[in-house]
Amino acid sequence: EPEVTQTPSHQVTQMGQEVILRCVPISNHLYFYWYRQILGQKVEFLVSFYNNEISEKSEIFDDQFSVERPDGSNFTLKIRSTKLEDSAMYFCASRAPSQGTEAFFGQGTRLTVV
Amino acid sequence: RKEVEQDPGPFNVPEGATVAFNCTYSNSASQSFFWYRQDCRKEPKLLMSVYSSGNEDGRFTAQLNRASQYISLLIRDSKLSDSATYLCVVKGPGGQGNLIFGKGTKLSVKP
Repeated sequence: EPEVTQTPSHQVTQMGQEVILRCVPISNHLYFYWYRQILGQKVEFLVSFYNNEISEKSEIFDDQFSVERPDGSNFTLKIRSTKLEDSAMYFCASRAPSQGTEAFFGQGTRLTVV
Repeated sequence: RKEVEQDPGPFNVPEGATVAFNCTYSNSASQSFFWYRQDCRKEPKLLMSVYSSGNEDGRFTAQLNRASQYISLLIRDSKLSDSATYLCVVKGPGGQGNLIFGKGTKLSVKP
């Protein structure tokens, strides 16, 4: 069964450092998403990406965040200068182009900022 | 008012019990609704979509009341493996398919 894969599974970084979280969406999917979940809290939408550009973003997705699809397979989330409050589980998701199709989530990257 | 609200639980039930989860959403223009399941420290996984007429999938029944902006999930004959957090999810208004999650209701099924 095709799946969304994310690397690394766990990343520890020092405050102020840049991190790049990587995702390989399902191959025929065209919509890509990043969500985050702070421990004990709800899953929150960060950004959606379609046709090589951001299609929608939330208030959380400020100038510290950026996304990129550098080649035909990877989809990355960069946090430029990490803060303690960026510690969370980051989930990548992808969806096929048809209306109503479900989004498939990767297993997540646990980011710990120290 | 929160966009998607759920009773946080936890619900502790014996095997075989019937358990119901409720959810309300704030945006009356919302069109698509789902229940996801999330195991501890894992990704959310789609359990079922929720249709206007209500729908059933084995032991799981989902209902939608648009007038009350209310969604429910019923689990019959609960199994130990049903223990998880159940997330009420509404598709966002932007048309890009982003999802708005409730905080989830934790279910613990005991032998």
